[in-house]
Amino acid sequence: QQPVQSPQAVILREGEDAVINCSSSKALYSVHWYRQKHGEAPVFLMILLKGGEQKGHEKISASFNEKKQQSSLYLTASQLSYSGTYFCGTEIEWGDSGYALNFGKGTSLLVTP
Amino acid sequence: SQTIHQWPATLVQPVGSPLSLECTVEGTSNPNLYWYRQAAGRGLQLLFYSVGIGQISSEVPQNLSASRPQDRQFILSSKKLLLSDSGFYLCAWSPGGVSPLHFGNGTRLTVT
Repeated sequence: QQPVQSPQAVILREGEDAVINCSSSKALYSVHWYRQKHGEAPVFLMILLKGGEQKGHEKISASFNEKKQQSSLYLTASQLSYSGTYFCGTEIEWGDSGYALNFGKGTSLLVTP
Repeated sequence: SQTIHQWPATLVQPVGSPLSLECTVEGTSNPNLYWYRQAAGRGLQLLFYSVGIGQISSEVPQNLSASRPQDRQFILSSKKLLLSDSGFYLCAWSPGGVSPLHFGNGTRLTVT
C-alpha cells in the first residue's frame, strides 16, 4: 500500500521552512526519504527506524511517530538546492532476505530567490 | 566503491515492439535489485525486486517481466510494448537489510 504524502506541492522563498508529511495505513518499521531533481535519479536522504534511530547524511531532520504511522521531513532555512521532488518510502517485507520500498506520489518543492 | 549502470538513457519504441533494459551493479556482491517506473503524476511505482539469481518478485501485474541471469545483472523485458508502458524506468540496488536504495540514472522510454 502506497504511503500518502502531503502537501503535493510547496513554493518557498529562500530561508523559509517547510514540513513534508508521510502517513501509512499499516504498521511501519522504517521510513525512507529521497529527493529527486528534475530528470535525475532519486537520491537517498534519510532512514528513520522504529525506536528512534536515524540514518542520514544531509542536514535535514525528520521525525517518525510509530503509533500514528507517520513521518515528517523538516526543511529549515531552505536553500535553492533544496528544490526537487521529495518521496517517502515504506517497506514491503520479503522474508528475511530483504525488502522493497513503496513510495508515495511525492511532494514537489520549489525554493525561489 | 559501488556503482550502478543502466542503459540506454533514452529509448523510443513503437507499440507492439519488444523491450530490453539492462542494469548492472559493480563493487558489491549479492545485492537486492529493483525496477521502478515513474509515470507522470504517479510517483515511483515498484515493478520488480530480486534478492538473488532467479528470484524475482512482481508487485504489479503487467506485460513486463524481469530476469536476473547473473548476481549483479537485472533485465527488464517486454514482448509487446503498450502506449501505457511509456515512462522513466529506474533500476536500484541495496546491500540488504534496512539500508538505502541506490538508483541508476534511469531510462526514459517513449512508446509511440
